[in-house]
Amino acid sequence: GIQVEQSPPDLILQEGANSTLRCNFSDSVNNLQWFHQNPWGQLINLFYIPSGTKQNGRLSATTVATERYSLLYISSSQTTDSGVYFCAAIYSGAGSYQLTFGKGTKLSVIP
Amino acid sequence: SAVISQKPSRDICQRGTSLTIQCQVDSQVTMMFWYRQQPGQSLTLIATANQGSEATYESGFVIDKFPISRPNLTFSTLTVSNMSPEDSSIYLCSVVGQVNTEAFFGQGTRLTVV
Repeated sequence: GIQVEQSPPDLILQEGANSTLRCNFSDSVNNLQWFHQNPWGQLINLFYIPSGTKQNGRLSATTVATERYSLLYISSSQTTDSGVYFCAAIYSGAGSYQLTFGKGTKLSVIP
Repeated sequence: SAVISQKPSRDICQRGTSLTIQCQVDSQVTMMFWYRQQPGQSLTLIATANQGSEATYESGFVIDKFPISRPNLTFSTLTVSNMSPEDSSIYLCSVVGQVNTEAFFGQGTRLTVV
């Protein structure tokens, strides 16, 4: 089955600092998503990114599909960025769909 | 994108009782799923909710414990039956958009069993 590994598992940042989160995934993945889970448990869609680079405000993501990894960049971090960041790999094809989550990176941004 | 309304958002239940969680989508979707997230863990797929037929359960999950209904393309329910404290988790419904394979999630139901 699909394997998804995230690093680091935990990260503590001073407000204003930058960070990079990594997601490695196995073969047979044809798309990738990044989510932010807020303290209330809600999963917020950040990026849907099979390859290339996308940016949304202070966040950006890059997926290099040929090397099976994706990176999430957070710049000028704020306390509201705290929470758990999940990447999820997607396999879809031949009438099937599979979404596999990594274990997440727990980010704490301190003032 | 899809807008998903999930109810209730949280509940505290007595052991041995059952809770039904509702998931309403603002548009017709083909694929709908239910996930469980145990405390401090990642998300685990419980089942695929199939419209007009029995749900497809993942290994470790059974219909008697987690019956699912999906009467149409915009609505589904998950029941957590005969609850025990080990069922305390966040339960989330998810759909796949019609444009591509992007997944969207409801706001989750935080269940505590006492």
